[in-house]
Amino acid sequence: KNEVEQSPQNLTAQEGEFITINCSYSVGISALHWLQQHPGGGIVSLFMLSSGKKKHGRLIATINIQEKHSSLHITASHPRDSAVYICAASGGGADGLTFGKGTHLIIQP
Amino acid sequence: EAQVTQNPRYLITVTGKKLTVTCSQNMNHEYMSWYRQDPGLGLRQIYYSMNVEVTDKGDVPEGYKVSRKEKRNFPLILESPSPNQTSLYFCASSLSMAGGPILFIGELFFGEGSRLTVL
Repeated sequence: KNEVEQSPQNLTAQEGEFITINCSYSVGISALHWLQQHPGGGIVSLFMLSSGKKKHGRLIATINIQEKHSSLHITASHPRDSAVYICAASGGGADGLTFGKGTHLIIQP
Repeated sequence: EAQVTQNPRYLITVTGKKLTVTCSQNMNHEYMSWYRQDPGLGLRQIYYSMNVEVTDKGDVPEGYKVSRKEKRNFPLILESPSPNQTSLYFCASSLSMAGGPILFIGELFFGEGSRLTVL
């Protein structure tokens, strides 16, 4: 069974800072998902990646298959980026999805 | 509009009273799944389905049942709810492909969540 670890659990930063959230998994996967959940809100998919790097606006996601590690970066962070960010691994055996516990990000003005 | 619809959004019930939370998607996705989210524990998978009539247990299936009779619907059934099933529940769907032991799950689309309280 895949184990997915996220760090940090909590992160508070000032507006404009560069943010990095890390995700490690224990078993080879077919895809790594990054999700965003605003307070009291639903869950939105940000990225799904199997290799390399993807960019969407100020968000960048990278994955290193050999090291079993993925990062989510936010450039020029803004208070509206305040949310819980969750990584999830799929394909580590036919077990569906395994989630990290999430990173609670607060961006202060 | 592509969407996953869950109902009800909010429900308060009593121990032992059977209930069903419905989930429907309009994207012709093969993969559908149910999760519960609890403080400090994050999201945990209850059941998932890779296609019609194919369901599998996730990490926390005890006390839950599912069925997948049609591709678009994946209801979650609590036959005899107990207070430890008080939680926020999410349904999700995606395109998927199974190749031997490997399951590829595409971009995930989540429902808005169903907050269930069992007294």
